Formats: sequence, C-alpha cells, structure tokens
Amino acid sequence: SQQGEEDPQALSIQEGENATMNCSYKTSINNLQWYRQNSGRGLVHLILIRSNEREKHSGRLRVTLDTSKKSSSLLITASRAADTASYFCAYSGAGSYQLTFGKGTKLSVIP
Amino acid sequence: NAGVTQTPKFQVLKTGQSMTLQCAQDMNHEYMSWYRQDPGMGLRLIHYSVGAGITDQGEVPNGYNVSRSTTEDFPLRLLSAAPSQTSVYFCASSTRDREKLFFGSGTQLSVL
Repeated sequence: SQQGEEDPQALSIQEGENATMNCSYKTSINNLQWYRQNSGRGLVHLILIRSNEREKHSGRLRVTLDTSKKSSSLLITASRAADTASYFCAYSGAGSYQLTFGKGTKLSVIP
Repeated sequence: NAGVTQTPKFQVLKTGQSMTLQCAQDMNHEYMSWYRQDPGMGLRLIHYSVGAGITDQGEVPNGYNVSRSTTEDFPLRLLSAAPSQTSVYFCASSTRDREKLFFGSGTQLSVL
C-alpha cells in the first residue's frame, strides 16, 4: 500500500495551545495537501504545498514539506475548540492520477 | 452551487443485494473519485475518472463498478454486497490537476 502515515493518531490540547501533526509518505510527489473532517462530514481542503516549496502559511496554519525525508507537518497555532476535527494529508505520486490519503490525526481542543 | 451531491445518506443492505450510490457535481469538474472510509484506515481510493468515458481502478476496486457517461455524474455500483463493504463512502471531484478536492457529505452503508 502507498498509503501515508500520520502521527500522532490522536492529539488532545488546551485551547490557545499549538497543535502539530505529521505526515509521512512513500513516493515522489507533485504536491501534498491537508484536509479537515468534522465528525461525520465530508473532508474540506485546507492548504496545498508543492514539491518545490518548503513552507507555506494560511491564516493560523503553517505547513512544511521535507521531500528528502518524505514528510510534512501541519501546525495550527492558537487553537480553538472549533478546530476539533480529524486532519488528513493527501498526495499524488508523480505521474499518477490517484490521490492517496493518510490515516489521519484526530485533534481534540479542550475549552 | 450545490457542489458534490451524494445519495442516499444512509443505506442498509442484505448480503448479496446490489445497489448504486449516486454522485453528482455541478462544477464542471473533470476528475471524480470514490473513497471508502473505515475506522483506523483513513480514506482508500476505490475508483476514479479523469473525464467522461474514462475510469480507472484505485487501491480497493474489488466488488465495485463505476461508469462515467457524463461530466456531472459518477455512480458507484455494488454488484453483490458483502459485510466487508460496510463503510462510509465519499465521492469527491476536482479540476483535472486534483489540487483541491471537493467532497460530498458521504453515504453510510451497512451490509448485514
């Protein structure tokens, strides 16, 4: 399986703290994306980072990509209770039409 | 815009029954895909399509069929349902570059 791995599987933090989740993958990629899933709902796209980028920011989100280690991290700063959700990385191998998702990190932000 | 619409939201089948999960998008997206989501397994790709008349298998295609006769619709057919197909199914679409997938709200399927 080319499915990526994310860690931790679950993360519980206090409101206002930062949350970091990591994604590792197995192939050469064109880009890596992060998605969010609220309980029982469809996924929502958060941010994309291309293979020639090392860091990208969007509001309270910061994504890094290390292609030499085949890994990415998502940092959510100043977390809020509303950030409680599962977060998934997704990537497409070079030359592939398939978008592969990781197994996800379940984030709980305690008010 | 409705985005990606999946029907039904819930379905219970008996082993051996067949059914079709419907997916429609109104964004003129070329790329459409079906995923299943199981606890601890994340999302796994079943089938995908890069345009009308073109489909291909993903990671877990066995027991499922798809067709893409129009740009808008991408139905997923379960040929003979098995308990192992109990899962939550998501349809997603995007432009051809697949840089931002739009997901439907999912179908929760139970096979008894």
